[in-house]
Amino acid sequence: GAGVSQTPSNKVTEKGKYVELRCDPISGHTALYWYRQSLGQGPEFLIYFQGTGAADDSGLPNDRFFAVRPEGSVSTLKIQRTERGDSAVYLCASSLWENQPQHFGDGTRLSIL
Amino acid sequence: KNEVEQSPQNLTAQEGEFITINCSYSVGISALHWLQQHPGGGIVSLFMLSSGKKKHGRLIATINIQEKHSSLHITASHPRDSAVYICAVTRATSGSRLTFGEGTQLTVNP
Repeated sequence: GAGVSQTPSNKVTEKGKYVELRCDPISGHTALYWYRQSLGQGPEFLIYFQGTGAADDSGLPNDRFFAVRPEGSVSTLKIQRTERGDSAVYLCASSLWENQPQHFGDGTRLSIL
Repeated sequence: KNEVEQSPQNLTAQEGEFITINCSYSVGISALHWLQQHPGGGIVSLFMLSSGKKKHGRLIATINIQEKHSSLHITASHPRDSAVYICAVTRATSGSRLTFGEGTQLTVNP
């Protein structure tokens, strides 16, 4: 497909577990963004990559959250020692360059029991 | 106070009505985005603008940089326009990350 792909679409896990969320951006897009959306609210920024490097990780809430993009394409958002408050929809977006329209994936709905 | 505020929070209209959703922001921006989110989560970018006005089909977006205000208009509304409409900005000092408003839930009844 030509769009941004996120897997899994749903993830249910127990408090304290480790989770990985994957994002496949549109081919050729250099910028990749992670956002988090809680129910009834607008998305909040987590981190964005330009190429392989994190250009801005100031939105990561604490050191349990980490993201990588080792080859400048696929990105993985990693959450350690999950807490119930981490439950949200995690959205990934990509754009051709910085400051271009962003294309969003359908999100991963994460539920921490 | 949120940096990006939208009004109204909820809007119900009858099919065919002209709709306006407003967005005000309090920071310097490089661009303003209007996004559409359907139930189930998928977000689609409608417009990205930094000045003036853009039109796509029945949708029109305007921005007044001096007043830090933007509007999204929908002409001849249709039930399929029912969705959450989100205003977001790229701040002039924060690269290309988006700062979002809380969205406007639009319901268009037949």
